[in-house]
Amino acid sequence: KNEVEQSPQNLTAQEGEFITINCSYSVGISALHWLQQHPGGGIVSLFMLSSGKKKHGRLIATINIQEKHSSLHITASHPRDSAVYICAVRDSGTYKYIFGTGTRLKVLA
Amino acid sequence: GAVVSQHPSRVICKSGTSVKIECRSLDFQATTMFWYRQFPKKSLMLMATSNEGSKATYEQGVEKDKFLINHASLTLSTLTVTSAHPEDSSFYICSARTGHEQYFGPGTRLTVT
Repeated sequence: KNEVEQSPQNLTAQEGEFITINCSYSVGISALHWLQQHPGGGIVSLFMLSSGKKKHGRLIATINIQEKHSSLHITASHPRDSAVYICAVRDSGTYKYIFGTGTRLKVLA
Repeated sequence: GAVVSQHPSRVICKSGTSVKIECRSLDFQATTMFWYRQFPKKSLMLMATSNEGSKATYEQGVEKDKFLINHASLTLSTLTVTSAHPEDSSFYICSARTGHEQYFGPGTRLTVT
């Protein structure tokens, strides 16, 4: 079992839909990142969280430290949101990052 | 917010040649830089950790003579892939840490022909 699990692995949505991507982890962490990877590879850091909730435009990220769970929400999804979304946690013991395998999102016009 | 850049974003090289990838922290000093590799449809794997002015620490299974890492200053780290082979084709990502904050670069796509 991976230390960082994301669900779903693949997601297809219609433009305008509300999207949720989940990340569960089994280690103690000091930080969690949500990354966006576009086709062609370029990585964009969306959020870094250690507690609570952050919002940036149409994106919202939440984390529940007790439940070892984080969610990334996209409101009013758009085809340009199509990408792979990666959850990465920093292990509080080793200070190394552990990455999920990503959620591939496709938003149809 | 803090920015980490990588150069080049894409590179194609011939087998047997060496290629250098640069990672820069643009508006902060990075005490530690990390290099990751992403295999197709896999999660990112840590290759090595480097601290400014000292030798890099490589993860198990990563050949230090093949993947040369230099952390010459608090804002620059380089990864040189020596004697490149098609199996080295991959996506390489650097990350820079300052204090408790860590930021990821956009990545470099290496294709070895």
